[in-house]
Amino acid sequence: ETAVFQTPNYHVTQVGNEVSFNCKQTLGHDTMYWYKQDSKKLLKIMFSYNNKQLIVNETVPRRFSPQSSDKAHLNLRIKSVEPEDSAVYLCASSLGGSSYEQYFGPGTRLTVL
Amino acid sequence: TQTVSQSDAHVTVFEGDSVELRCNYSYGGSIYLSWYIQHHGRGLQFLLKYYSGNPVVQGVNGFEAEFSKSDSSFHLRKASVHWSDSAVYFCAVIGGSNYKLTFGKGTLLTVTP
Repeated sequence: ETAVFQTPNYHVTQVGNEVSFNCKQTLGHDTMYWYKQDSKKLLKIMFSYNNKQLIVNETVPRRFSPQSSDKAHLNLRIKSVEPEDSAVYLCASSLGGSSYEQYFGPGTRLTVL
Repeated sequence: TQTVSQSDAHVTVFEGDSVELRCNYSYGGSIYLSWYIQHHGRGLQFLLKYYSGNPVVQGVNGFEAEFSKSDSSFHLRKASVHWSDSAVYFCAVIGGSNYKLTFGKGTLLTVTP
């Protein structure tokens, strides 16, 4: 049963373009996350928001920016994509902080040509 | 800072066999450990977690894991696997006041009918 929704499922674009990914959770959770999963399945946290406030901001290129309108939504914008941005971007949410069980969306696969 | 390692990249077993997927961590203080499963093309799903108390924790679908402070391990086990258990399994850790969930590299479990 899906409770963390991500759009789009796939996106193919060219170097230099801007992309935006959406994430919505219907679980009433306070915390949301963006992870990047590369082609070797390695997972790395990018951002974490708690009640619309940024609490974790890993060392990611400045072209990545999270956007949260309310605690149920956390979008990810990438200005001027690069080839190394090709990956699966996973959104997740949890009731409290990271030590709570995290619920993941299906992911958005980005391919940069 | 905490680290987590999964020494086996790929494990293959027959349906009905038992399996143990290994996870070792390094951190000197109190620690939170969890396991997640990722089926092909899907997001991650929580299996189980340990923070304190009984070192053997039960999870969904017959999985269990045992925490060992002396071995710095949190291995995942299942007594009798099913073909649907084929997936990538991730061990994850949070140590101390670091609120980030750090994932291992994952172990691909293949269950052969």
